[in-house]
Amino acid sequence: DAKTTQPNSMESNEEEPVHLPCNHSTISGTDYIHWYRQLPSQGPEYVIHGLTSNVNNRMASLAIAEDRKSSTLILHRATLRDAAVYYCILRVEYSGGGADGLTFGKGTHLIIQP
Amino acid sequence: DSGVTQTPKHLITATGQRVTLRCSPRSGDLSVYWYQQSLDQGLQFLIQYYNGEERAKGNILERFSAQQFPDLHSELNLSSLELGDSALYFCASSPEGWPLANYGYTFGSGTRLTVV
Repeated sequence: DAKTTQPNSMESNEEEPVHLPCNHSTISGTDYIHWYRQLPSQGPEYVIHGLTSNVNNRMASLAIAEDRKSSTLILHRATLRDAAVYYCILRVEYSGGGADGLTFGKGTHLIIQP
Repeated sequence: DSGVTQTPKHLITATGQRVTLRCSPRSGDLSVYWYQQSLDQGLQFLIQYYNGEERAKGNILERFSAQQFPDLHSELNLSSLELGDSALYFCASSPEGWPLANYGYTFGSGTRLTVV
């Protein structure tokens, strides 16, 4: 199974950029890189995903290494509301069609200091 | 509001009992996924349904079962409940397309089950 490795926790200051790393050295060519976050007592929330190229949306940016063995989620200006557990997940596409359920690891607990 | 509705939000029941958790997916989404989150296990995938049919199974106990109805809502049935079944149960939905891995999930706010 394709797996990801993330730091257990990271700390940042409010209004500063945050770079959350993820290693996925066993990624296959058709695996998509997904990021979710979970705020306390809430369900996980989709943040962003990508395949090969860097991606931007209103919540964050995703930078994918050229060899795709790592990626970085970038929050451009962190707020206190960004304090959450961030999960980096590989979504695998099966050759016969269909994709697997998301397998959540432990994620990175992001702490934002005011 | 994510568009995925789960009821009830909270449920307290005794050991040995049976409960049913309900999920309505986001409009247009055909796939429904169930997850269990306990303090020591993290988010665990239980089961997936697509357009009424079971598509994939994860770490789902035999005491648990699920189904998806023609209107696409889904129910997770938990029976012979044990103290260890106390957890947050999340439902997520996803649209279908190709490749499927190019689509994200939308999660509901969960049902907190407490078994006493």
